[in-house]
Amino acid sequence: GQQVMQIPQYQHVQEGEDFTTYCNSSTTLSNIQWYKQRPGGHPVFLIQLVKSGEVKKQKRLTFQFGEAKKNSSLHITATQTTDVGTYFCAAFNAGGTSYGKLTFGQGTILTVHP
Amino acid sequence: ETGVTQTPRHLVMGMTNKKSLKCEQHLGHNAMYWYKQSAKKPLELMFVYSLEERVENNSVPSRFSPECPNSSHLFLHLHTLQPEDSALYLCASSQEQPGVLTGELFFGEGSRLTVL
Repeated sequence: GQQVMQIPQYQHVQEGEDFTTYCNSSTTLSNIQWYKQRPGGHPVFLIQLVKSGEVKKQKRLTFQFGEAKKNSSLHITATQTTDVGTYFCAAFNAGGTSYGKLTFGQGTILTVHP
Repeated sequence: ETGVTQTPRHLVMGMTNKKSLKCEQHLGHNAMYWYKQSAKKPLELMFVYSLEERVENNSVPSRFSPECPNSSHLFLHLHTLQPEDSALYLCASSQEQPGVLTGELFFGEGSRLTVL
C-alpha cells in the first residue's frame, strides 16, 4: 500500500528559530493535507494542497506541494511556544477514491524551548 | 468544541470485558471514521462509513465491531481485546461529494483505551 514518509521524527528548537518538516511519497499524490495535534489533544486540520507546485501561507506557516506531487513541506518561521505539537501530513493516492482514505505520515514532534 | 464528541474519554477494561466507544458528530457530515493512534505509529484507519454504509474495513480484527445507526452516530464495540489494543481511538467525520476528493477530517478528542 501507499506509504508516506515524514521527517524528521523529532525536532527541538529554540523559540524564534525556524522549523521545517518534510513529507515524501514514492507514488504521485492527488492532494496532501496537514494536521496539527497539540500534546494531549486531537489532530486539527491545517490546510490542503492540490496543485503541482502549490504554495500556501498561514501567518508564519508556509506549505508547499512539490512539482511532481510526490513531496510536501511545512515551514514555520520564528517558532513560538504555541507551535508545540505533532505535525502530520496525510495524502490521497492519485486515482484513489474519496471517503477520506488518507494515508498519514508518522508525524514530526516539535518542541520549542523558550 | 470540535463538533465531534467522543465518549468515554478514558476507558480501562480487562481482556474479557465488552465495552463500546461512542461518537457523535454535529456537523451534518455524511462520512464517519474510526482511527487508531498508537505511540510511535502513524494514524491507522480502521473503518469508514459513508451514508451509514461501511465502505472501508482496513483488515481490522473481528474483536472490533463498528456500528453506524445513522449519519450522526458511530460506535465501536470492543470484545476480548488484547493489551496491544491499548491506544487512543479517534473518531472523525467529513463531508464527501461523489467524484470529488475532499476528505478534510474533523476529529473528536479521542477515547484513551487501556486493556489490562
